[in-house]
Amino acid sequence: GEDVEQSLFLSVREGDSSVINCTYTDSSSTYLYWYKQEPGAGLQLLTYIFSNMDMKQDQRLTVLLNKKDKHLSLRIADTQTGDSAIYFCAEMADYIPTFGRGTSLIVHP
Amino acid sequence: GAVVSQHPSRVICKSGTSVKIECRSLDFQATTMFWYRQFPKQSLMLMATSNEGSKATYEQGVEKDKFLINHASLTLSTLTVTSAHPEDSSFYICSARLHTGELFFGEGSRLTVL
Repeated sequence: GEDVEQSLFLSVREGDSSVINCTYTDSSSTYLYWYKQEPGAGLQLLTYIFSNMDMKQDQRLTVLLNKKDKHLSLRIADTQTGDSAIYFCAEMADYIPTFGRGTSLIVHP
Repeated sequence: GAVVSQHPSRVICKSGTSVKIECRSLDFQATTMFWYRQFPKQSLMLMATSNEGSKATYEQGVEKDKFLINHASLTLSTLTVTSAHPEDSSFYICSARLHTGELFFGEGSRLTVL
């Protein structure tokens, strides 16, 4: 099956930028997503990018897509303690989404 | 953004009983909804794709008779865990897809089977 890989943990200091990386294998992906999950809660859509784009910016969030390398990243500027959560990368091909295992972002003072 | 409501958020039941979880799209019509299961510290495992007015498409390894899915209207899909056992205890999440491709998720339902 298709795979979505991301590192499991990222630790940053409050105020720094966080960059969460993701790689995927399905070259027919049409949409790529970033979701945030806080403990015990469902998934919150942060942002998504079409596969024909290479960058999308939304306030503190910047998504970069390298389609050739099948690499997606999420940059969070000025990371706050409230950003601590698990971030899931997902790709959608043929209208079926596939998720990575999630990156646990820990923000310390 | 679009809202997907899931109910109940937590349910505890005895082994052998059945539990129904509802997933509603509150401000849009969702022809397709997805049901996932999430184990602790793991990613979401797609269980099935639910299409309004037709039978759900189950992923390999998911028992159709165990996890009954009904998508009777454009705003409601239900997942019924039949004859639940402790190993069915998990976090179940639904999502609904907009025609634009965005996926919105419910808050999830934590099932505990005693």
